[in-house]
Amino acid sequence: AQSVTQLDSQVPVFEEAPVELRCNYSSSVSVYLFWYVQYPNQGLQLLLKYLSGSTLVKGINGFEAEFNKSQTSFHLRKPSVHISDTAEYFCAVSRTGTASKLTFGTGTRLQVTL
Amino acid sequence: AAGVIQSPRHLIKEKRETATLKCYPIPRHDTVYWYQQGPGQDPQFLISFYEKMQSDKGSIPDRFSAQQFSDYHSELNMSSLELGDSALYFCASSRAGRGGEQFFGPGTRLTVL
Repeated sequence: AQSVTQLDSQVPVFEEAPVELRCNYSSSVSVYLFWYVQYPNQGLQLLLKYLSGSTLVKGINGFEAEFNKSQTSFHLRKPSVHISDTAEYFCAVSRTGTASKLTFGTGTRLQVTL
Repeated sequence: AAGVIQSPRHLIKEKRETATLKCYPIPRHDTVYWYQQGPGQDPQFLISFYEKMQSDKGSIPDRFSAQQFSDYHSELNMSSLELGDSALYFCASSRAGRGGEQFFGPGTRLTVL
């Protein structure tokens, strides 16, 4: 079975500051890793994904994440946040292969203020 | 581009009633997943279907059932509703061989009174 830990339930940050949202995972098999964003009362939107290859993954809205196999981490970063980045961010993992369910972390609330 | 469609978007039911949620995946997607997200919680996997066959099952109550039809749309049937079933229910779809990426619908907000 897979599990995901998001250590920070809330991350307050000022606009234009950099941010890092932490994610650690546990799995005995090969996995895919994902970051999803959820705005209030909306669905989940994929920010980026790691399947294989380069460990630095770039996504939408200026976000990027780095896969670190030795530390079983997949931290999300953005060099300069905007007010509109305020949302809930979920890290998720799935087994490689077809039709594999996503296991989510408990989420990190990113609150960007002026 | 076409997205995952869920209906209804909002549903209010009384305790012990039944509810049916529908999901229409992205065209040519062969896999459908259902997730339940309680207030302030992360989404929890319920059940999935690949090519109209159940492929995996999570923490889905016995009161719930689901199926995927020949046109690939899926329905989640919920009976004997309880207050604790109040949640956001997401459907997601994916296509085999496309790296596991799941595309989520906007969700159905179920309120049980």
